[in-house]
Amino acid sequence: DVKVTQSSRYLVKRTGEKVFLECVQDMDHENMFWYRQDPGLGLRLIYFSYDVKMKEKGDIPEGYSVSREKKERFSLILESASTNQTSMYLCASSLPGLAEDTQYFGPGTRLTVL
Amino acid sequence: GQQLNQSPQSMFIQEGEDVSMNCTSSSIFNTWLWYKQEPGEGPVLLIALYKAGELTSNGRLTAQFGITRKDSFLNISASIPSDVGIYFCAGGGGSNYKLTFGKGTLLTVNP
Repeated sequence: DVKVTQSSRYLVKRTGEKVFLECVQDMDHENMFWYRQDPGLGLRLIYFSYDVKMKEKGDIPEGYSVSREKKERFSLILESASTNQTSMYLCASSLPGLAEDTQYFGPGTRLTVL
Repeated sequence: GQQLNQSPQSMFIQEGEDVSMNCTSSSIFNTWLWYKQEPGEGPVLLIALYKAGELTSNGRLTAQFGITRKDSFLNISASIPSDVGIYFCAGGGGSNYKLTFGKGTLLTVNP
C-alpha cells in the first residue's frame, strides 16, 4: 500500500512565524504535490515537484516555498505565516508512467494561524 | 483553465439506497479518478480510470470513464452509514502531472 505521511495533524502558529510542513512517501514516487483545501474553494495546488531539487509553481504559490532535497520528502514552507493561510494542507504523491496522474494523499495538516 | 462540474453538491439518502454522482468537463481528460474524504482526513483513492469507456468496480462502487472523455460517474449501491463523506472526482492527463478536481459531493446516509 502507498503511504504518505505528514508530520503534524494539527498545528497552531502565530502571525509572522516561519512554518515547516513535512511530507514523506514510502513508495519511491517521482512526483509530489502540496495543496490547500478551503470550504467552497476545493483543492488548490500550491507547488509540485517532479524530481529531487525540481519544483514548479501551482495555482496559488504566493506566500509559500518548497524544498525537495530527497526523493521521499517534500517540505512546504510558510516564510511568514498570515491568518489567511489558516487551512487544511494536503500532500500527495504519484508515480511516473501510465498511472502518473493517480495521486495518493496524506492525512492532512490542519494549520491555524493566530 | 480546465474546470470540472460535479453534481449533485450534496445528497441525503436512506441506508440501503443506491447513489449516483457525476462529473462533466468541457475539456478532455486521459484519466478520471474518484476519491472519498472523511472529516479531518485526506482524500482516499477509490477508483482510477485510464481508458475511455472503461467501467470499473470496487466492492459496492462502480465508476465509468465516459466515451467522450469529458465525463465520469460514480455509483454506490446499497449505501451504508460508513459511506458518509465527501466524494471528489479528478481529471488528469496533461503533461505536467496536474489534476483538476471537482468541488465534491457531500453524502449523508440516514440509518
